[in-house]
Amino acid sequence: DTAVSQTPKYLVTQMGNDKSIKCEQNLGHDTMYWYKQDSKKFLKIMFSYNNKELIINETVPNRFSPKSPDKAHLNLHINSLELGDSAVYFCASSQVSGRSLKGVAFFGQGTRLTVV
Amino acid sequence: AQTVTQSQPEMSVQEAETVTLSCTYDTSESDYYLFWYKQPPSRQMILVIRQEAYKQQNATENRFSVNFQKAAKSFSLKISDSQLGDAAMYFCAYRRGGGADGLTFGKGTHLIIQP
Repeated sequence: DTAVSQTPKYLVTQMGNDKSIKCEQNLGHDTMYWYKQDSKKFLKIMFSYNNKELIINETVPNRFSPKSPDKAHLNLHINSLELGDSAVYFCASSQVSGRSLKGVAFFGQGTRLTVV
Repeated sequence: AQTVTQSQPEMSVQEAETVTLSCTYDTSESDYYLFWYKQPPSRQMILVIRQEAYKQQNATENRFSVNFQKAAKSFSLKISDSQLGDAAMYFCAYRRGGGADGLTFGKGTHLIIQP
């Protein structure tokens, strides 16, 4: 009964390929996110989705696109992968309305993407 | 834009001792949240403690407590009775109170526990 799950955990692919990372949350949260953690461990927000609407897109190349089929899922599609895309990608969810645990982000286990 | 600064890239503490990790932030908002997350070698991001800016009382969770100084924009984490399992990267994070903003993270502090 994992709260936020993402697949796959590891992904090795060649430059130029297109890949997707899936994320699902069973917490009933209203907002989901994608973060990128680089080789120096720095974490940066990429996207957030609230009620199927993209709220934030932080200077991310348009090769990256989030897709949310429903409130419980936020998948990350990456086109034309580049060496610099190698990183760990985290999915997260939180409840931004109401007061209970408001703002607390629950993270998936991360996907280590390696582009060769 | 909000920024979060962790000035200690690495800290070391003896098992059973107390250690304090520093964090400062910059914001013009009055409604916000502050967090400490732990990332062990397993890579999982684990919430350690959470502080709401409107609450003056410092948050505590068992051996973990914070010193929240709102005027100074400081949010340090104190770990008492350090245990080997506390060894991890610790990230300080900020989130604006309203809206669906994500977290703004500091660069992290690598905590080493000496047996």
